[in-house]
Amino acid sequence: DVKVTQSSRYLVKRTGEKVFLECVQDMDHENMFWYRQDPGLGLRLIYFSYDVKMKEKGDIPEGYSVSREKKERFSLILESASTNQTSMYLCASSLGRSLYEQYFGPGTRLTVT
Amino acid sequence: GESVGLHLPTLSVQEGDNSIINCAYSNSASDYFIWYKQESGKGPQFIIDIRSNMDKRQGQRVTVLLNKTVKHLSLQIAATQPGDSAVYFCAENTGNQFYFGTGTSLTVIP
Repeated sequence: DVKVTQSSRYLVKRTGEKVFLECVQDMDHENMFWYRQDPGLGLRLIYFSYDVKMKEKGDIPEGYSVSREKKERFSLILESASTNQTSMYLCASSLGRSLYEQYFGPGTRLTVT
Repeated sequence: GESVGLHLPTLSVQEGDNSIINCAYSNSASDYFIWYKQESGKGPQFIIDIRSNMDKRQGQRVTVLLNKTVKHLSLQIAATQPGDSAVYFCAENTGNQFYFGTGTSLTVIP
């Protein structure tokens, strides 16, 4: 089974802090994704990566950056956390040829105070 | 703007009955449509997909129907079980773009 793990289930940070969310997948998938999930809204794509050191902006990249130095690891960085970034963050991965068959991690619930 | 996944927010069915979860979309150029299941406290789980040039696809206990004329997608779950209780949402994929609906919360009544 594909396993996607995220570094924390719950995280509380202060406004202005730099926040790192880590995601690791163990199935040698080429594609990795970061989403946020908010009540009443569908998942929204922040960034995705289709290869090491490659990244593409999603729908809502503002205030975020990403890093993919190794194939199995994709990091989401909040340079200066703000309260409107309080959300559930979900990481996913997929095989190169199957962009849409994504396997998700359990999520990190981030609260920015 | 684009929209997808205009779901009814909740659905309750008796155990053993069939469930039908509906989704509407607006982008007629989408390549793929996908259904995900999200149980409480977990990340979404891929269920089934359908390519835009198909109108029906079957999986294990699930069937997805695509009606491009009215831009409507449905997920049918046969013989619904308590373990099927979850939020189900559809998504559409066009190239590198993904749009997810808000989901329907399915409750299975024993």
